[in-house]
Amino acid sequence: DTEVTQTPKHLVMGMTNKKSLKCEQHMGHRAMYWYKQKAKKPPELMFVYSYEKLSINESVPSRFSPECPNSSLLNLHLHALQPEDSALYLCASCQGDYNEQFFGPGTRLTVL
Amino acid sequence: AQKVTQAQTEISVVEKEDVTLDCVYETRDTTYYLFWYKQPPSGELVFLIRRNSFDEQNEISGRYSWNFQKSTSSFNFTITASQVVDSAVYFCALSEAPVFPGTALIFGKGTTLSVSS
Repeated sequence: DTEVTQTPKHLVMGMTNKKSLKCEQHMGHRAMYWYKQKAKKPPELMFVYSYEKLSINESVPSRFSPECPNSSLLNLHLHALQPEDSALYLCASCQGDYNEQFFGPGTRLTVL
Repeated sequence: AQKVTQAQTEISVVEKEDVTLDCVYETRDTTYYLFWYKQPPSGELVFLIRRNSFDEQNEISGRYSWNFQKSTSSFNFTITASQVVDSAVYFCALSEAPVFPGTALIFGKGTTLSVSS
């Protein structure tokens, strides 16, 4: 199984809402990533979990809060977002041998 | 500093044409990894290939081929006899070594390929 799944596929939320994005992989990969991608731009790294510990936080605003409950799951909790946070949020996982990252289908987030 | 440059922002071709997507990278590492990803309109980034810095053999997979040249720091991607389904954004990426779980990828800005029938 070489699949990374993400839910939901689409999310529309108001600036006062609290929501969560979920990511799951069953490949036994040791690293999981959150990326943010705006239209016509490359993915931008947000967070990295390595062996279930947060190893990289690329100066992301605190309104984004990652969580790694176990080695297969990765969540991104959203609170008080701004319209400029509207983007495609991609999750990826990687075993670490050669940094081959496998991506999920993404969640298209719209903040009203 | 590490950097990936994809100078072609957009390319438009007609079906059955061959097309080459350019990728130039910069790194001080002697060991590194290069990647190509495809992102169709649906949004998912699809892994296409990884190439190690110590392996300059070119690779062919069906209609896809990759030309890795360390002398020019390039890792170009050619699609032969393009099809409409090849329409997507293609990203070239670089990773330093050694790789630990959690090492970041450095992406180029991407090339949008449009194939018309």
